[in-house]
Amino acid sequence: DIVMTQSPDSLAVSLGERATINCKSSQNIFYDSNNKNYLAWYQQRPGQPPKLLVYWASIRQSGVPDRFSGSGSGTDFTLTISSLQAEDVAVYYCQQYYTTPFTFGPGTIVDLK
Amino acid sequence: EVQLLESGGGLVQPGRSLRLSCAASGFIFDDHAMHWVRQRPGAGLEWVASISWNSGKIEYAVSVKDRFIISRDNAKNSLYLEMNSLRVEDTALYYCVRDTPVGAGGFDYWGEGALVVVSS
Repeated sequence: DIVMTQSPDSLAVSLGERATINCKSSQNIFYDSNNKNYLAWYQQRPGQPPKLLVYWASIRQSGVPDRFSGSGSGTDFTLTISSLQAEDVAVYYCQQYYTTPFTFGPGTIVDLK
Repeated sequence: EVQLLESGGGLVQPGRSLRLSCAASGFIFDDHAMHWVRQRPGAGLEWVASISWNSGKIEYAVSVKDRFIISRDNAKNSLYLEMNSLRVEDTALYYCVRDTPVGAGGFDYWGEGALVVVSS
């Protein structure tokens, strides 16, 4: 199985400041034939289901604010929130959909400082 | 508007069975693969099972293989999860999840979840 790890476990950021979350996969999830990284990011606010933010490691889902951006390739990925808003307080998960079992990272809690 | 509405959750004793249903609306159901993902209380996300648009490809997590059965009825726009030989560790919120359209990736719509509690 591909193991997904995230760092940090949690972070506290002031309103308007940058938040950076890292995700690492235990195997390369870049598929040469289509030049894509099979990596997605989700946001889960308290009491709500997860929401897809980014797929193919860097493509923002429709309707997601442009302060969210994804980057990385191969085994190392990053989700950046450029200017944290109050509504961004949530747990963020990365996920690989390169192969089953589709696996998620353990989550990173983002809170306000 | 895409909607996924789970039902069938509840309290069940270990070893018993339960069937979850997911009613889909607002999109062409048989254009999409579907998944079940669960979340144990206070924990992260765990993929459980997937089914292709025509049920031709079905996959399970090792933790549920040979106990759970995923199925769909495209005529009824419905997804199901038959859960047998339930264990205490199957206690979780079970989400019905849509796979993205061709060309995109990830899981783009999630239901609110059905809570399954396995306890004696």
